[in-house]
Amino acid sequence: DTAVSQTPKYLVTQMGNDKSIKCEQNLGHDTMYWYKQDSKKFLKIMFSYNNKELIINETVPNRFSPKSPDKAHLNLHINSLELGDSAVYFCASSQVEGPGELFFGEGSRLTVL
Amino acid sequence: AQSVTQPDIHITVSEGASLELRCNYSYGATPYLFWYVQSPGQGLQLLLKYFSGDTLVQGIKGFEAEFKRSQSSFNLRKPSVHWSDAAEYFCAVGQYSGGGADGLTFGKGTHLIIQP
Repeated sequence: DTAVSQTPKYLVTQMGNDKSIKCEQNLGHDTMYWYKQDSKKFLKIMFSYNNKELIINETVPNRFSPKSPDKAHLNLHINSLELGDSAVYFCASSQVEGPGELFFGEGSRLTVL
Repeated sequence: AQSVTQPDIHITVSEGASLELRCNYSYGATPYLFWYVQSPGQGLQLLLKYFSGDTLVQGIKGFEAEFKRSQSSFNLRKPSVHWSDAAEYFCAVGQYSGGGADGLTFGKGTHLIIQP
């Protein structure tokens, strides 16, 4: 039973399209995150949500819109995809009451052609 | 702002040899420190963490790390590596702000290659 699961694992699409990535965690955590890993493996936080409330919104184009329908789910919708959006997107979760150990999903590899 | 530096982009080690991966952090208060491992095509798995107490922490897969406040370092070690240890290793620093959801700041990773 996967703790943090993301779908799809792979996504290949054309520039200009809109796509979504879904994430679910069954750990009972309060906080969920989206991280972006670029081609050089650098991991950078994009968003964090605590109990469905947006906490962190790093400098990310507004084409990226996270949505948290409940504290177990955090989805990422991307409009008007660009070549530079190609990356691996990781969902993660953690307990707020604690130093923030993250539990990661397996990642969603987005390729924009 | 907190930051993490992993000075070695690539490290090559012979199977059975010892390993040390370096990590330096910049943070104003007592940091919470982590090492994660990422195998190809996989997510990140926690190897070990330091919050407080004993500065030598043990993790999974035979890894350990030592927190040295004077050097702002949290180096990862393993006495004898196995071919299955080939992966990307990330050091990360976090903070606890009592109700925040600040996430972790990651270093740029060290790619570990194991030679037969």
